[in-house]
Amino acid sequence: DSGVTQTPKHLITATGQRVTLRCSPRSGDLSVYWYQQSLDQGLQFLIQYYNGEERAKGNILERFSAQQFPDLHSELNLSSLELGDSALYFCASSVVSQGEGLALSFGSGTRLTVV
Amino acid sequence: AQTVTQSQPEMSVQEAETVTLSCTYDTSESDYYLFWYKQPPSRQMILVIRQEAYKQQNATENRFSVNFQKAAKSFSLKISDSQLGDAAMYFCAYRRSGNDMRFGAGTRLTVKP
Repeated sequence: DSGVTQTPKHLITATGQRVTLRCSPRSGDLSVYWYQQSLDQGLQFLIQYYNGEERAKGNILERFSAQQFPDLHSELNLSSLELGDSALYFCASSVVSQGEGLALSFGSGTRLTVV
Repeated sequence: AQTVTQSQPEMSVQEAETVTLSCTYDTSESDYYLFWYKQPPSRQMILVIRQEAYKQQNATENRFSVNFQKAAKSFSLKISDSQLGDAAMYFCAYRRSGNDMRFGAGTRLTVKP
């Protein structure tokens, strides 16, 4: 168990709709990262939050937004969904403790299917 | 920008044999970290091994070891005594402190019984 919790595990929705993905980081981790993995491809970095503040942006579409709340959980909002948004969305939190060398700990992902 | 390249989309190995997965990266930084993650059919991302760039000694975790060549910007993963459970996608990744992690496109490893 990575300690990172993502909900829901699966989501099926129609084109044009809006969905919210939720992530709770490992206890004590202040950073949350969102990644998108399309079918049989690598992970693409979307956005990073640190202690409630946006820290870095990757290839995140304007239709997508995210935030991190005071309790450190994060939400990724995807709107005006298109078929191409179907993917596995991962949340990860930063492991910062001696011996763990800045590895990211990943949640189990949310599989989004847009029909 | 940092990029990570995995030139082998697919690899296969016989059970109990050894296989090496290749990874190269591009960076102008001297202080960074490199990782190999495993993604089995469950799609969970599992950390296999990590290497700090400032350490010359190659990291080892049981049957998994790396060959880190800093000057060549190469970071290969060797899996010894391959097991059926090693079958998965393997991703090489690069990260600097406080920054996001950048991944390669992955190598799909098949283990033949």
